[in-house]
Amino acid sequence: DSGVTQTPKHLITATGQRVTLRCSPRSGDLSVYWYQQSLDQGLQFLIQYYNGEERAKGNILERFSAQQFPDLHSELNLSSLELGDSALYFCASSVLGQGSETQYFGPGTRLLVL
Amino acid sequence: GENVEQHPSTLSVQEGDSAVIKCTYSDSASNYFPWYKQELGKGPQLIIDIRSNVGEKKDQRIAVTLNKTAKHFSLHITETQPEDSAVYFCAASIGLRAGNMLTFGGGTRLMVKP
Repeated sequence: DSGVTQTPKHLITATGQRVTLRCSPRSGDLSVYWYQQSLDQGLQFLIQYYNGEERAKGNILERFSAQQFPDLHSELNLSSLELGDSALYFCASSVLGQGSETQYFGPGTRLLVL
Repeated sequence: GENVEQHPSTLSVQEGDSAVIKCTYSDSASNYFPWYKQELGKGPQLIIDIRSNVGEKKDQRIAVTLNKTAKHFSLHITETQPEDSAVYFCAASIGLRAGNMLTFGGGTRLMVKP
């Protein structure tokens, strides 16, 4: 158990809908990362937050957004969902979000868009 | 941006044999190289990492080597056991103070036959 928690474990929804994925980092970690894992794209970095502020952005679609709250939990919002958004979404956390820090991954949320 | 290639995509070994997985990266500024193990239905778990000021690192049956000149790094697992069966991912990071996004390889499915 990495200490990173994610809810829900599974999510089934329809195209065009909006969902929210939630992540709680390890105790003491200030930085949160979101990754998407799909069969055709592999594991891809989406976005990083540090202490409530956006720190780095990857190939995140405009339909996707995230935020980190004062209690350090983070939410990833996915809107206007398409079939191709079906994937595993992982949250990871690290202490300061700086170079060479170990990132600890949560168990993931499996999203299925029908 | 950074690009990480990983080979082979599948690897089958007999219990007790060694397994080697190789990765190459494109950005010479990358300075942090973690390896993750992902079991079915779980999130990636860090098994070993290496930083660019080190050429080799060992942890019991697992070792990682880094060749900065050639821009490649490898994972070596000795005396493989059935519980080593999983998907292994290499990753690279430029590891800036301002951010720590990981770029992952495509993964290697390791099967250890008893």
